[in-house]
This record gives sequence, C-alpha cells and structure tokens, in this order.
Amino acid sequence: DSGVTQTPKHLITATGQRVTLRCSPRSGDLSVYWYQQSLDQGLQFLIQYYNGEERAKGNILERFSAQQFPDLHSELNLSSLELGDSALYFCASSVGARAGGAEKLFFGSGTQLSVL
Amino acid sequence: DAKTTQPPSMDCAEGRAANLPCNHSTISGNEYVYWYRQIHSQGPQYIIHGLKNNETNEMASLIITEDRKSSTLILPHATLRDTAVYYCIVRGFYNQGGKLIFGQGTELSVKP
Repeated sequence: DSGVTQTPKHLITATGQRVTLRCSPRSGDLSVYWYQQSLDQGLQFLIQYYNGEERAKGNILERFSAQQFPDLHSELNLSSLELGDSALYFCASSVGARAGGAEKLFFGSGTQLSVL
Repeated sequence: DAKTTQPPSMDCAEGRAANLPCNHSTISGNEYVYWYRQIHSQGPQYIIHGLKNNETNEMASLIITEDRKSSTLILPHATLRDTAVYYCIVRGFYNQGGKLIFGQGTELSVKP
C-alpha cells in the first residue's frame, strides 16, 4: 500500500459527461501529480501541484482541469468526455519539501475510466 | 531532462539476476537516474535512484557508469512477481515541481 488513495476505482460514463477523480496524498506529502495511461500512449504526465499551486503542466487537454485543496487532496475534472478519454488515471504524491534533492513518487492504484 | 533509451523487452529465468540497461548519454551533472516499475495495470512503484555512486536497497542495485552515460538496474534473484515494465528516468534536482516523464520502459518477463 503506497498510502495514496484514489477514488473511485472504476467509473463508467457516457460521452459528453463530466466526472471528477479524487486523490488523497500520503500524509505529509505536499506535491501531487496526475498521469493518464491508455493502451496506445503509455504513462502521460498531465499536471503537478505543490502545496496548492500548479507547478508543472504536461499535455493536459483544455477539457481537463485539476486543483489541489488546502487539505492537500487533489481533484482531476474531466469534461465533455470522449471515447478516447477512456484510460487509467493515476495520482502520485511526494514530500516535495526539499529543494535540490531527489524525489520519490508514490502512486495510487488508479481510477479506471470507461467512456461509452 | 535527459532522454533515456531502454530495450523494449527482456527475459530472465527465475532465480537468476536480471540486469536491465539504460542509456542516458545526454545526462547533465545535476540529474538523478531513477527506476520505477509497473506491474500490470497497478500504479508505478519506485525502486531506486542514484546520482553518481552505485546504490543498493532491499529491492535492487543500481550501477551507474563513471561517465554517467548509462546505468544498469540489477534484480539479484528475480522472481515471477518481478515480471513488470521497468522505467528508467532521468530528472534534475527537485525544486517543488517539474515533470517526471516516463518513456516506454523495458518489459521484463521472468520465466520459471
């Protein structure tokens, strides 16, 4: 158990809908990362937050947005869903407190999104 | 961050050492080498990281060449449960943020 909790584990929805994925980082971790993994794309970095602020952005679609709340949990919002958004979505967290050092990411077990 | 090159797949006999190579010829002085693995559809798992020196922990050993242009992850006694995709990642010093980019990795199959 990595200590990172993602809910829900599975989500089935229809095209055009909007969903919210939730991530609770490990206790004490300030940094949260979101990744998307589809069969043909591998693990794609979406976005990263540190202590409530966006710090890095990958190829995240405009239909997708995320935020990190004061209690450090994070949510990834996916809207106007398309069939191609079907994927595993992973959240990871890290301590993120020491600049200039190495960083270990701890991943949750993911949310499997199926868009029908 | 520097790019890495890994073989797409490897086989290893159970109980033998698995040696997974990674080439990172454009690595710069402030970049760490990290290894993660992903067992089928589970979240990736951190294995080990290093800067210049060889490193060992309870999971694996990391051998980095003197010029730091390549490294090898060693699983000393591979088991069937080590079957996974192994990712070698090079990333600069952490400073409250930044991308951690996964490549295609090496799919390791441990066979009985």
